[in-house]
Amino acid sequence: GQQLNQSPQSMFIQEGEDVSMNCTSSSIFNTWLWYKQDPGEGPVLLIALYKAGELTSNGRLTAQFGITRKDSFLNISASIPSDVGIYFCAGPSNFGNEKLTFGTGTRLTIIP
Amino acid sequence: DAGVIQSPRHEVTEMGQEVTLRCKPISGHNSLFWYRQTMMRGLELLIYFNNNVPIDDSGMPEDRFSAKMPNASFSTLKIQPSEPRDSAVYFCASTLTANSNQPQHFGDGTRLSIL
Repeated sequence: GQQLNQSPQSMFIQEGEDVSMNCTSSSIFNTWLWYKQDPGEGPVLLIALYKAGELTSNGRLTAQFGITRKDSFLNISASIPSDVGIYFCAGPSNFGNEKLTFGTGTRLTIIP
Repeated sequence: DAGVIQSPRHEVTEMGQEVTLRCKPISGHNSLFWYRQTMMRGLELLIYFNNNVPIDDSGMPEDRFSAKMPNASFSTLKIQPSEPRDSAVYFCASTLTANSNQPQHFGDGTRLSIL
């Protein structure tokens, strides 16, 4: 089946730093979604991308749909303590648009 | 607006016992998904429903797992008998239509521990 690999697996940064993470797939995706999961809660959608090359922002977050359609990137500028959590990329599986495959996640920790 | 509501939030039980997890999707949403999250395997889709009908249960680990959606506002995931390896966080999510362009809204999950 499809696999989505995220890197890095974890990040330790200081408040105020910018963050970059990416997600790569073994196959082409037509939609890329980025979710964030806070401790003890379910994932929440941050950004959705629908077209190759698309660059979309949501506040301090910016995500890009890679030209090859096999990757996507998420950047967070000027990180703050509430950015702590696990970030997941996701996309529809091969077997139907309803099913999402989730990436392995990037755990972000902010050092005070 | 109420989001996806799951109960219980935590469940601790002995192996062999029956476990029932409950989910109330967002009103008006037509698709419902059950996921399992573990450190080793990440977030895995178990089963999903469209308009109360199970569409794909290929992610259900084995026959000990079953899910139902008797109406548009309620779904259950049952494990019988439970085993320690079933310990995980189980999430329910709902979406407006059966289209991945629609965001899935997740509940806060049920943390299940089987002793």
